[in-house]
Amino acid sequence: QQQVKQSPQSLIVQKGGIPIINCAYENTAFDYFPWYQQFPGKGPALLIAIRPDVSEKKEGRFTISFNKSAKQFSLHIMDSQPGDSATYFCAARMGSARQLTFGSGTQLTVLP
Amino acid sequence: NAGVTQTPKFQVLKTGQSMTLQCAQDMNHEYMSWYRQDPGMGLRLIHYSVGAGITDQGEVPNGYNVSRSTTEDFPLRLLSAAPSQTSVYFCASSYYGGPTNIQYFGAGTRLSVL
Repeated sequence: QQQVKQSPQSLIVQKGGIPIINCAYENTAFDYFPWYQQFPGKGPALLIAIRPDVSEKKEGRFTISFNKSAKQFSLHIMDSQPGDSATYFCAARMGSARQLTFGSGTQLTVLP
Repeated sequence: NAGVTQTPKFQVLKTGQSMTLQCAQDMNHEYMSWYRQDPGMGLRLIHYSVGAGITDQGEVPNGYNVSRSTTEDFPLRLLSAAPSQTSVYFCASSYYGGPTNIQYFGAGTRLSVL
């Protein structure tokens, strides 16, 4: 069963656009929600993360919006650049456990 | 600073062969894990360990064995490879304590089972 659902599967935007990637979760015990960025041939790397006691977190051009009542969270990339072209994964973690449950991934292409 | 090192980077096996994927980290992390990445399915947890001598199953453990004899190393063994195990395998590590969880990933091993 997929406890974290991610959409869209792929996304193409022009340089300067604002791609938005959405994730929804089912288990209300999740309490930590990171986003990972993966470039071709590389392992995923932590991009930004949020806890459910805040509704938004910004780090540079990357913003997470969190809606606890809807059990949804999303990643926004402001002023996107071709170098942002990568696969993005949302994830969720439960309590003291260290296991992450990942979404299915979104392949983002930013055209020059 | 090496971080998480996986070997080999690529491997081709025949059905029924066995092999070990190596993973080593130099950050003194207690927690280590193995994931497989398949198109459209994200990363799925195979096995994990919270310290030397302690391992547990993840979401997709069948066909894989692990052991953790040292803090640094966490090898993944395929006992009898099957075509369904064709995938990209990632090892990750993190500290066990604390409110957040930055998992550091290796560069992956691409495995093809013919």
